[in-house]
Amino acid sequence: ELKVEQNPLFLSMQEGKNYTIYCNYSTTSDRLYWYRQDPGKSLESLFVLLSNGAVKQEGRLMASLDTKARLSTLHITAAVHDLSATYFCAVPWEGGSEKLVFGKGTKLTVNP
Amino acid sequence: DADVTQTPRNRITKTGKRIMLECSQTKGHDRMYWYRQDPGLGLQLIYYSFDVKDINKGEISDGYSVSRQAQAKFSLSLESAIPNQTALYFCATSDSWRQYFGPGTRLTVL
Repeated sequence: ELKVEQNPLFLSMQEGKNYTIYCNYSTTSDRLYWYRQDPGKSLESLFVLLSNGAVKQEGRLMASLDTKARLSTLHITAAVHDLSATYFCAVPWEGGSEKLVFGKGTKLTVNP
Repeated sequence: DADVTQTPRNRITKTGKRIMLECSQTKGHDRMYWYRQDPGLGLQLIYYSFDVKDINKGEISDGYSVSRQAQAKFSLSLESAIPNQTALYFCATSDSWRQYFGPGTRLTVL
């Protein structure tokens, strides 16, 4: 059974600070997704990581994938209030499929 | 206009009632999904369909059924709603690379 674990589940940080969210998964996968969800809203795709060593960056967010360690990180640089949201990682349920197993999410609050 | 739409957006119903949640997409994707989200949890896959004639159970299909009326339409039914089916329901479509989510339906079963 595939398990996807995120930590921390709650993160409160100050503007301007850096932090990393971790996503571990229990079975082999060469693909991982990061999504953002604002309160009461739908999920927005942030990154698709397709291979070992993949690194993608957009604005203050950078995601990486280590398939050997079964670990992905989402790094936040110089946080701003607009980044406050819940961030989910997701891994395909079966290799090469689009059936996803989601982590529980990390609720990020960036304080002025 | 949104690529993936869901109706209704909010629904309150009573235990034992049958209800249907509808999803439509204009992205032209063959693959469609239904998820539920409970507070503090991630999304759990209920059913998925890779084309009109292909429907499969997900992680938590008990108590739910689906219908794929056309490439663009995928409906989720609760045959006899119960309070622990109170949740936020999302429909999604996918291409080869990622999934695209609808706005969600907030369902409350009293």
